[in-house]
Amino acid sequence: GIQVEQSPPDLILQEGANSTLRCNFSDSVNNLQWFHQNPWGQLINLFYIPSGTKQNGRLSATTVATERYSLLYISSSQTTDSGVYFCAVDGANTGTASKLTFGTGTRLQVTL
Amino acid sequence: SQTIHQWPATLVQPVGSPLSLECTVEGTSNPNLYWYRQAAGRGLQLLFYSVGIGQISSEVPQNLSASRPQDRQFILSSKKLLLSDSGFYLCAWSVLWGSQPQHFGDGTRLSIL
Repeated sequence: GIQVEQSPPDLILQEGANSTLRCNFSDSVNNLQWFHQNPWGQLINLFYIPSGTKQNGRLSATTVATERYSLLYISSSQTTDSGVYFCAVDGANTGTASKLTFGTGTRLQVTL
Repeated sequence: SQTIHQWPATLVQPVGSPLSLECTVEGTSNPNLYWYRQAAGRGLQLLFYSVGIGQISSEVPQNLSASRPQDRQFILSSKKLLLSDSGFYLCAWSVLWGSQPQHFGDGTRLSIL
């Protein structure tokens, strides 16, 4: 099956700093999503981005499908950004259901 | 708008006891439904998915089963829980056709004693 690797595994930032999280995947994808899992375990949709660039406030994401990677940018980080960021992909030609394979995540801690 | 509900939020069960976790979706028809499990400190793993009533596909061999008795209801069950069944269980839905984003419930934290 498709492999998903995320880097870095852990990241500590001071409030106000910027960061880039990376997701590499091993095959063509129909679907790529970025999620933020907060300390209570809730999985928050950040982006649905199988290709191209999207922005939502201080967050933006870029997927270069031909080179099999996606980047999540966090600017002016806040303590509420702390948590685990997951990249998840659905490989091409998987039929009707979109079956996501998750990376192992990047654990972000934003300090004052 | 669409919403997804899971219950209970937390559950503590003895080894060998049965399990039933329920997930319901509101505001959409004919969704794809999914059950994922997250072991402590790890990513999510797809357990089951369903594209319609009574249609269940299993992704990994295990001690659990799933059922879809109604269009917007998805149930995760076990007859006898094992210690290894502990984890965080999340239900998700997506639009039926094509590659569409998945939307997750708040999860059930299951501890087996």
